[in-house]
Amino acid sequence: GQSLEQPSEVTAVEGAIVQINCTYQTSGFYGLSWYQQHDGGAPTFLSYNGLDGLEETGRFSSFLSRSDSYGYLLLQELQMKDSASYFCAPRRAAGNKLTFGGGTRVLVKP
Amino acid sequence: GAVVSQHPSRVICKSGTSVKIECRSLDFQATTMFWYRQFPKQSLMLMATSNEGSKATYEQGVEKDKFLINHASLTLSTLTVTSAHPEDSSFYICSASEEEHYGYTFGSGTRLTVV
Repeated sequence: GQSLEQPSEVTAVEGAIVQINCTYQTSGFYGLSWYQQHDGGAPTFLSYNGLDGLEETGRFSSFLSRSDSYGYLLLQELQMKDSASYFCAPRRAAGNKLTFGGGTRVLVKP
Repeated sequence: GAVVSQHPSRVICKSGTSVKIECRSLDFQATTMFWYRQFPKQSLMLMATSNEGSKATYEQGVEKDKFLINHASLTLSTLTVTSAHPEDSSFYICSASEEEHYGYTFGSGTRLTVV
């Protein structure tokens, strides 16, 4: 089985930093992915954590703590184009399935 | 990078008809592809796993006779919505992953409207 929790919405101004937390309960947990989806578009891959710790990819970083079943996505130097929905997606070893949390809608204001 | 092509991007069909959606991996082979459905302002719901050369694996609650999946080659999976009804109207998206990468690539999605 699986359960996922992430905030439904976050609002911030340009240049700010936003942290989106994700807690999960996933059987056969393999790693945690993050995806971005703009309205009307398809999800795009942002980051993956297979091991504990921080992964940095430009302005976006992702963190994982397996012992706490917790991860977060950090968006730095926010830009207007970062307004989108962000999904944490635990990856399960069995069948390499990828299932999504409810998503966090990030609204960036000028 | 990996590219997944999905067609059509939009389709309107009459109630009771069937619609086929294609998902192709353009520059890599995908033994497994995934089909999702997304309603407005909601998350992506995994419908089924498409397995090349064998039967698809459906998630609980998804009718396999209504959502027919065929994965006849390493680069093509199709989803057919049979006897479509207005409640089947949704955004359908496929995804696949190159084995050595941890990220999944998604198709551009198909917006299905059943009238």
